[in-house]
Amino acid sequence: KAGVTQTPRYLIKTRGQQVTLSCSPISGHRSVSWYQQTPGQGLQFLFEYFSETQRNKGNFPGRFSGRQFSNSRSEMNVSTLELGDSALYLCASSLGVSGSPETQYFGPGTRLLVL
Amino acid sequence: GNSVTQMEGPVTLSEEAFLTINCTYTATGYPSLFWYVQYPGEGLQLLLKATKADDKGSNKGFEATYRKETTSFHLEKGSVQVSDSAVYFCALGINAGNMLTFGGGTRLMVKP
Repeated sequence: KAGVTQTPRYLIKTRGQQVTLSCSPISGHRSVSWYQQTPGQGLQFLFEYFSETQRNKGNFPGRFSGRQFSNSRSEMNVSTLELGDSALYLCASSLGVSGSPETQYFGPGTRLLVL
Repeated sequence: GNSVTQMEGPVTLSEEAFLTINCTYTATGYPSLFWYVQYPGEGLQLLLKATKADDKGSNKGFEATYRKETTSFHLEKGSVQVSDSAVYFCALGINAGNMLTFGGGTRLMVKP
């Protein structure tokens, strides 16, 4: 089974621009979660999508948004980029059907650098 | 709120040494607990997990026991290898949904 894939792997943007990152989950997985990893703040949860609906949301400003398509692929968008948005963005997928926290399978991440 | 505290690294050990990485948590509710590992340039991989008190998760020689009375989930390995060099993250999740709260990570360096 193919793992979680994320595109692009690397991205350089300038302040004020917007960016869209893509995540393809493992086949059959319906939950996709996004995390931001930075040296200063560590790993922080952004949001989770399940069956095209946002199920959980972390404590990030509205500039961070996401969506999920009917094939479970997900995108996240960051508008009006700031220098502090430079980070590794990780996507994780799971079946999403359990009533308790599931094992999540992570992609390799997209490294975003904002200049 | 929920939080996870891990011992700060880096932890530097010689090959075949005993490893302990401490992890404690605070949670509103009854969490599931996880250890994830991140090798250089890669995403996170699940190392082990436990879903209820006194459960012991184990994988690849690593073990951790869910201790509700001390709110801890310490990671141990009896004999580390150079290939175990990585960053280890303790995490908790509560209820349905997949919102994980992570600790700050502990970098392990194993020297031959």
